[in-house]
Amino acid sequence: NAGVTQTPKFRILKIGQSMTLQCTQDMNHNYMYWYRQDPGMGLKLIYYSVGAGITDKGEVPNGYNVSRSTTEDFPLRLELAAPSQTSVYFCASTLQGKKADNQPQHFGDGTRLSIL
Amino acid sequence: QQPVQSPQAVILREGEDAVINCSSSKALYSVHWYRQKHGEAPVFLMILLKGGEQKGHEKISASFNEKKQQSSLYLTASQLSYSGTYFCGSGTSYGKLTFGQGTILTVHP
Repeated sequence: NAGVTQTPKFRILKIGQSMTLQCTQDMNHNYMYWYRQDPGMGLKLIYYSVGAGITDKGEVPNGYNVSRSTTEDFPLRLELAAPSQTSVYFCASTLQGKKADNQPQHFGDGTRLSIL
Repeated sequence: QQPVQSPQAVILREGEDAVINCSSSKALYSVHWYRQKHGEAPVFLMILLKGGEQKGHEKISASFNEKKQQSSLYLTASQLSYSGTYFCGSGTSYGKLTFGQGTILTVHP
């Protein structure tokens, strides 16, 4: 069972370039999340999705976009990359029912992104 | 607002105990605990819900004081494998988590 898979694992971008970070899960989870983690810090929520076609902003959405066309996939798009977006990006998923805060999140291995 | 964790770092010998605290200025509805080893993804440890229900790890326990808006994670008889950074997360709507800044735990032989 693969769980949450993120690609690529590492990437170096030049300022102003764009890229898409891929995230896919095979657990049939309905809720998915994107976090960023700066060195020595906790994780901050960028965007989240409660199902196919439904996305919403988290704490730090500026400079990012997401889409959720299928249950399995939740790509994160960086437009016009800036040095401040250098970080480790984690995708997570969970199966939520009526009580939306009582299930653990399953994380992918992360994408380490450097903007130079 | 981000939960505040204390201490920021702990150094232990194998077999010693540790307590990691997580405090919030906002009401806590649920508290999630994760452990992250260097260069790896966070791994789920424990969820504490209002009303006292717990879900999680068999060798790690935790408490949740709703009135004080605090949670504590108890690591007993620590093992080398316990080393890592521990994060608490405050649960909100749609399963969103607001994470604390982390507590670095180092266990020496």
